[in-house]
Amino acid sequence: NAGVTQTPKFQVLKTGQSMTLQCAQDMNHEYMSWYRQDPGMGLRLIHYSVGAGITDQGEVPNGYNVSRSTTEDFPLRLLSAAPSQTSVYFCASSSGLAGGAGELFFGEGSRLTVL
Amino acid sequence: AQSVTQPDIHITVSEGASLELRCNYSYGATPYLFWYVQSPGQGLQLLLKYFSGDTLVQGIKGFEAEFKRSQSSFNLRKPSVHWSDAAEYFCAVRAGNQFYFGTGTSLTVIP
Repeated sequence: NAGVTQTPKFQVLKTGQSMTLQCAQDMNHEYMSWYRQDPGMGLRLIHYSVGAGITDQGEVPNGYNVSRSTTEDFPLRLLSAAPSQTSVYFCASSSGLAGGAGELFFGEGSRLTVL
Repeated sequence: AQSVTQPDIHITVSEGASLELRCNYSYGATPYLFWYVQSPGQGLQLLLKYFSGDTLVQGIKGFEAEFKRSQSSFNLRKPSVHWSDAAEYFCAVRAGNQFYFGTGTSLTVIP
């Protein structure tokens, strides 16, 4: 009964380094998304996907790439990390609107620090 | 544009007192509305949701919320707060394929 799993939970990077935050869900959800959480800013949508092979930008997409090759996985890539990307990142999935409101199910978060 | 406003950044209540957290949204169509709770260092957990039907919805942990279309509000309430309710609370609206979150209300419970 894993739900949404994010790795790593903590990461420290130097400016300019690249890395990938992993996200996997075992609920067969078509919808997956990435948010960043910053103090006083709430959660802001980075990218989302409505199914394998389909991705779209959210509110704050610059500096991040995503891909969706399978229903289960939705990795978030930072190609050249910047201190402004220091944040807590959350992956979330949803079954969509069919049969209800399609609420989000969240992972436990990944805390990223860029020096 | 869609948006969610939580006017109270921080609220302090005594244990056993009632609680109301405010949420106002901006969205042109019928909204799908949510309240989430986040404990320190944890992910977000769904408390309750509204998408149709009865405008008073019940959630987990004794919480309820009322959707008022005329006021564009979806306030969260609890009649008697427990110390374990101390956390951050987020209101959210779903607009198509995107969710919009408020900036959160931090709740402190004093004994």
